[in-house]
Amino acid sequence: EVQLLESGGGLVQPGGSLRLSCVASGFAFSGYSMSWIRQAPGKGLECVSYISGIADTTSYAESVKGRFTISRDNSENTLSLHMNRLKTEDTAVYYCARGDAFDFWGHGTMVIVSS
Amino acid sequence: DIQMTQSPSSLSASVGDRVTITCRASQDISNSLAWYLQKPGKAPKLLVYAAFRLGGGVPSRFSGSGSGTDYSLTISSLQPEDFATYYCQQYYGTPPWTFGQGTKVEIK
Repeated sequence: EVQLLESGGGLVQPGGSLRLSCVASGFAFSGYSMSWIRQAPGKGLECVSYISGIADTTSYAESVKGRFTISRDNSENTLSLHMNRLKTEDTAVYYCARGDAFDFWGHGTMVIVSS
Repeated sequence: DIQMTQSPSSLSASVGDRVTITCRASQDISNSLAWYLQKPGKAPKLLVYAAFRLGGGVPSRFSGSGSGTDYSLTISSLQPEDFATYYCQQYYGTPPWTFGQGTKVEIK
């Protein structure tokens, strides 16, 4: 059974940092691209970052470029998102999802940026 | 970046109604289009990928169509569990991929 389990969310002050993790199981992790997608309260979905299966390609939404870094450890089946210089507008539920058409999603982890 | 324009933003319908939601891309996306359903407090669920292919376990009342820049999701007979928010998403060209703004389907 495919499972994606996010962790690392929480309350952080503006300007602070946070590291999200997504542990994958039930499939050949290195064979799939992965993305982080966020949803601000009451708003729609935004893909913030993408990484290819072997991590040779990464990309970022303009809203997070230069502040967020995506990475993966295929030996540990883990996807990460390092978030620096956080802003109040980064407050959202963050999901990890598999593939290009996102056929599996985690349950999400909440990030609240507030003073 | 490829922009996705989804319409309508909301609609009211009754159980048994036929419902269609449309999505327009800012350029040809060569059928690299997915549709999702999301219920409050839950992660989205894949309904359709590659414009018309049903995701695993998705009921046949859902169907996708379109080509080029224009795509649609049709629910042939709306069921109580279908009242939710629907999103389109393109995955053509350079990631990160982009979503439409969403369509909330409410009970009339």
